Amino acid sequence: GAVVSQHPSRVICKSGTSVKIECRSLDFQATTMFWYRQFPKQSLMLMATSNEGSKATYEQGVEKDKFLINHASLTLSTLTVTSAHPEDSSFYICSALEDSEYFGPGTRLLVL
Amino acid sequence: GENVEQHPSTLSVQEGDSAVIKCTYSDSASNYFPWYKQELGKRPQLIIDIRSNVGEKKDQRIAVTLNKTAKHFSLHITETQPEDSAVYFCAASITGYALNFGKGTSLLVTP
Repeated sequence: GAVVSQHPSRVICKSGTSVKIECRSLDFQATTMFWYRQFPKQSLMLMATSNEGSKATYEQGVEKDKFLINHASLTLSTLTVTSAHPEDSSFYICSALEDSEYFGPGTRLLVL
Repeated sequence: GENVEQHPSTLSVQEGDSAVIKCTYSDSASNYFPWYKQELGKRPQLIIDIRSNVGEKKDQRIAVTLNKTAKHFSLHITETQPEDSAVYFCAASITGYALNFGKGTSLLVTP
């Protein structure tokens, strides 16, 4: 199946700083990628749909100015958590669309 | 929007027994229903999926059934093994992607 990678796998940052997470499709081109967030022992919640060459589409309740998404190429989407706070600590998982959604391994963010 | 309910939240079975997880959805336009297995700290892995033109699909020990009239679908795992222990998520989608997930079922298979 298709392979999706994420970098970094885990990151610890101080409150108020910004963190960038990369999502790459390694063996296919993905016009569309998705960003999900998963809090401990909870389900995955779709945050936004990332479209190559156009603006991302955000789900209701997700602040677009806080979670900046850039999909500048057919193999890379980035999520930047701006001015991160402890409540942003979560497991962020991307997926890329080919014949179906393929998930990345996730990025664990801890904001101190 | 779509609302997916999943039950039970935890399930414990003995090795060799069957496990059944049930989900309901609210949007009758949904037509794609995947099931994912997630081990602790890992990515969700697609284990089986079904589309609305099919009532049942089977892959070895795993089967999924769909009742569009009642808007529910179920995952059946037969002859469970300890390595089946994980969290299982159902999901529903109108488009085939941008998934709406259930809250998950933590399955424990005891030897």
